[in-house]
Amino acid sequence: KQEVTQIPAALSVPEGENLVLNCSFTDSAIYNLQWFRQDPGKGLTSLLLIQSSQREQTSGRLNASLDKSSGRSTLYIAASQPGDSATYLCAVRGSGTYKYIFGTGTRLKVLA
Amino acid sequence: DVKVTQSSRYLVKRTGEKVFLECVQDMDHENMFWYRQDPGLGLRLIYFSYDVKMKEKGDIPEGYSVSREKKERFSLILESASTNQTSMYLCASSLALGTYEQYFGPGTRLTVT
Repeated sequence: KQEVTQIPAALSVPEGENLVLNCSFTDSAIYNLQWFRQDPGKGLTSLLLIQSSQREQTSGRLNASLDKSSGRSTLYIAASQPGDSATYLCAVRGSGTYKYIFGTGTRLKVLA
Repeated sequence: DVKVTQSSRYLVKRTGEKVFLECVQDMDHENMFWYRQDPGLGLRLIYFSYDVKMKEKGDIPEGYSVSREKKERFSLILESASTNQTSMYLCASSLALGTYEQYFGPGTRLTVT
């Protein structure tokens, strides 16, 4: 059974820092992995989608990497800003299934 | 831009009431999903639909049913609301099974008293 873990659960950093959020999954037979951002009381906003055949995806200050063999993905945020404060979730879709399994998220606070 | 809308942002219902949560997407997506999100448990899939009138149970379908009569609309029904169904409900859609990403609505925070 696929399990997705995000550590740490919460993180506070000063503005301007580069930071890395981690996502681990137990079954490497995945179809793709998606990173989301969620603001308090709101829905999820898609940030990046990585296919199983890809190693990384980039969008602006965000870079997501995928290492299937080790069951890990990282979300790198460059030059963090207070507006980046949110909960970041990763979700994994297994091969041969329509289901996405979500981690419980990392709550990020960027201090001005 | 893909737009997924949900009928209510906040809803308060009484125990035993029948509750309807509606979700509409405007991008002709084939797949639609209903999740609930609870602190410490993350998002859990309730039901999934891959076509009109087609549905499949997710991980926690008990106490819920769904309806998809039109491609753009996916409804979640709580047959007899209970306090343990107090939660944030999130609807999502994707173009098709395969490589396509999911797009989420703003969520409905349901409180059952």
